[in-house]
Amino acid sequence: QKEVEQNSGPLSVPEGAIASLNCTYSDRGSQSFFWYRQYSGKSPELIMFIYSNGDKEDGRFTAQLNKASQYVSLLIRDSQPSDSATYLCAGPMDTGRRALTFGSGTRLQVQP
Amino acid sequence: DTGVSQDPRHKITKRGQNVTFRCDPISEHNRLYWYRQTLGQGPEFLTYFQNEAQLEKSRLLSDRFSAERPKGSFSTLEIQRTEQGDSAMYLCASSLAGPTTGELFFGEGSRLTVL
Repeated sequence: QKEVEQNSGPLSVPEGAIASLNCTYSDRGSQSFFWYRQYSGKSPELIMFIYSNGDKEDGRFTAQLNKASQYVSLLIRDSQPSDSATYLCAGPMDTGRRALTFGSGTRLQVQP
Repeated sequence: DTGVSQDPRHKITKRGQNVTFRCDPISEHNRLYWYRQTLGQGPEFLTYFQNEAQLEKSRLLSDRFSAERPKGSFSTLEIQRTEQGDSAMYLCASSLAGPTTGELFFGEGSRLTVL
């Protein structure tokens, strides 16, 4: 099983700032990555996915994938207190398998 | 469509007892996953079905755990002879087959406490 590593945080940013969440992975063959958001006491929900090198933007969120460095990141612009949650990075368990392996998550706190 | 539903939401049991959880996926989803999550950790993969076929099972899963998905609709996860280390949130997720295979829709989970 391939590994996905995240800093557990908490990452604290002031309201309106850019939050940068990072993830590294061990399988150089991994092609796709997913960012899930999990509010306290709730289940994870998908917010972004990225399949190719470079950046993908969706509203205030930008996912970045660098396959050479085996690094995935999520940028949240204009952070809001409602963004306070745990962000989980996920990738395929092994090439060709359908299940995802999740990192341990980074807890983000946006200070009003 | 009401999303993925799980039952029961909470289960407290004594060590050594058997427990069973049920998951009803989103109706048109043919893939169903079971994950387990403990405090401060990400979801840990347990098993995966496509339709009624159990295609993957975690090597970490002991033989006390069994899952079924008869007729490719709802699924059950049974834990026999529960241990305190089984205490966790058991999450079910479903998805459609296709290129976005990582788009999992999770249920609210079944929280198990083993005394």
